Amino acid sequence: AQSVAQPEDQVNVAEGNPLTVKCTYSVSGNPYLFWYVQYPNRGLQFLLKYITGDNLVKGSYGFEAEFNKSQTSFHLKKPSALVSDSALYFCAVRDRSGRGGGSQGNLIFGKGTKLSVKP
Amino acid sequence: NAGVTQTPKFQVLKTGQSMTLQCAQDMNHEYMSWYRQDPGMGLRLIHYSVGAGITDQGEVPNGYNVSRSTTEDFPLRLLSAAPSQTSVYFCASSYLPGTESTDTQYFGPGTRLTVL
Repeated sequence: AQSVAQPEDQVNVAEGNPLTVKCTYSVSGNPYLFWYVQYPNRGLQFLLKYITGDNLVKGSYGFEAEFNKSQTSFHLKKPSALVSDSALYFCAVRDRSGRGGGSQGNLIFGKGTKLSVKP
Repeated sequence: NAGVTQTPKFQVLKTGQSMTLQCAQDMNHEYMSWYRQDPGMGLRLIHYSVGAGITDQGEVPNGYNVSRSTTEDFPLRLLSAAPSQTSVYFCASSYLPGTESTDTQYFGPGTRLTVL
């Protein structure tokens, strides 16, 4: 079965320090991977995605993610964290189970990681 | 361009009541979906649609109905609300997969539902 795992419920970082939010995946075939961010009482906002090509993907707000096929990981990174980065982060993979009927449009989400950046 | 809109923002129901959560998008997206978000469980797919007149079940469809009469609208109906349906509901839309540069899903602001 296809799945996404975010092993950390919460990540705490001091402002100015680098941050990493971890994500591993299990899919059949080539993965299409996404990161979304959710600020309090808001909907999800797209950060970045990996479809193919360079393993390092750059996205919004200075975030980037590194795709590692051998480790089946897609960790989210930022060189210097800001207090305003504090939010809930979700990793997701596109459904490639091959059920048809348009199911390949569906996203399978991880449980989310709460990022807390302290001044 | 309003993106994806959802109404209402908040709703309290009693067990057994029915209601419809509204979702609309103005981006001419073929694909639309409904998720529920529960603490510690991420987002789980309820139903989705790849175009007007075409819907299918996701991971947790029980207790919910959907229809897609137009490209723009994708309402979610709770037929007989239960406390287990207390959750935050998100609607999302995108172009159909295959156009990788444009198939990013856009989410609405959510509806917070409490069933007593």
